[in-house]
Amino acid sequence: DIQMTQSPSSLSASVGDSVTITCRATQSIARYLNWYQQKPGKAPKLLIYSASTLQSGVPSRFSGSGSGTDFTLTISSLQPEDYATYYCQQSYSTARITFGPGTKVDIK
Amino acid sequence: QVQLQESGPGLVKPSETLSLTCSVSGNSVTGGYFWAWIRQPPGTSLEWIGSLSPSGTGYYNPSLESRVTISSDTSKNQFSLHLTSLTAADTAVYYCSRESRALVVPAAPSHNWFGPWGQGILVTVSS
Repeated sequence: DIQMTQSPSSLSASVGDSVTITCRATQSIARYLNWYQQKPGKAPKLLIYSASTLQSGVPSRFSGSGSGTDFTLTISSLQPEDYATYYCQQSYSTARITFGPGTKVDIK
Repeated sequence: QVQLQESGPGLVKPSETLSLTCSVSGNSVTGGYFWAWIRQPPGTSLEWIGSLSPSGTGYYNPSLESRVTISSDTSKNQFSLHLTSLTAADTAVYYCSRESRALVVPAAPSHNWFGPWGQGILVTVSS
């Protein structure tokens, strides 16, 4: 199985800060990597697919990059509504889709 | 606008079978998308359970495959999850979702992503 790790597991940041979250796969997954945002008590929301394509309606302050085993999600100027948990997900192995453990972003 | 809504019991006894239904509006379950079930145990990450193709073929997480069936009722535009032999480890919020699959590079595997999602339903396995 392809395992996904994320770092950090949590971070504290202020409104206006630039935030970067890293996702790493245990083997190369090309660009088969998606990012989701989940707020407490809510369902996840798709932010980015295929490593860097912004889902329709998602603010442009969110961006994704990477390929192979290392990927990043960047929030260029953190807004109050961005405090949430972020998950990466690989679809390289379609028979065993897996998610990362999550990164919680909270208020500093 | 596509909307999904899960329904089913919130409490199930160990060894019994869980049956959940996802009602879809704004898209046909026989259209160009796959339809998926994903769960999230309390305080932890997400686990893909399986997906249903537009033609009705199920694809399942190998760790759950012996206990899972996903099917559709096209007359009601719904798809369902059946999970047998429940244990406390199956306690989780269960989400249904539309799954997009797209070929980005010809002859390469498709890219898959999930969205939108239903609101989720908490299922507790306890006697």
